[in-house]
Amino acid sequence: DQQVKQNSPSLSVQEGRISILNCDYTNSMFDYFLWYKKYPAEGPTFLISISSIKDKNEDGRFTVFLNKSAKHLSLHIVPSQPGDSAVYFCAARKPGQAGTALIFGKGTTLSVSS
Amino acid sequence: NAGVTQTPKFRVLKTGQSMTLLCAQDMNHEYMYWYRQDPGMGLRLIHYSVGEGTTAKGEVPDGYNVSRLKKQNFLLGLESAAPSQTSVYFCASCSLHYQPQHFGDGTRLSIL
Repeated sequence: DQQVKQNSPSLSVQEGRISILNCDYTNSMFDYFLWYKKYPAEGPTFLISISSIKDKNEDGRFTVFLNKSAKHLSLHIVPSQPGDSAVYFCAARKPGQAGTALIFGKGTTLSVSS
Repeated sequence: NAGVTQTPKFRVLKTGQSMTLLCAQDMNHEYMYWYRQDPGMGLRLIHYSVGEGTTAKGEVPDGYNVSRLKKQNFLLGLESAAPSQTSVYFCASCSLHYQPQHFGDGTRLSIL
């Protein structure tokens, strides 16, 4: 059963507008959440993260919001640019697990049109 | 600025053949991971290592073996390849457990 869910396989946004990518999780023990961006034929690259003790983290155009009661996080990109077109993966980490590997969602493909 | 390097980038195998995928990192990271990504799926953990000489099973370990003889290298082996192992394989590493993982560019493996 999926512990990290990205229910929207794709999202289309116009350049300059806001992109909002959503992620839901089922395990309340997750303590650290990350967003990765992936271009075709490349590996995922780290974008932004948030600890479960926070509800918001901001880095330039990217902001991640965490709602622990709803077990929901979202990534906001403002303003969106054509270069942001990529697959975005949400990932979560469970504490206490040796190696602390990440559990990934299936990804959301973002297309930003100019 | 190499980071995480995966070798080879592409490979086609016949069912039953064996091969080894190499992952090398030059960041002196302790933790290393092997994931596979299938169409429409997120990355799933195959095996991981928390340090030189250690390995452990992840979510989907069957049909794979790994070794970490040197800190900078993490090898993934397929002893008898099966079509179900057709996938893109990603290696990742990180220095501390709470740091983000750095990924290689992947190995695309097709098994006929």
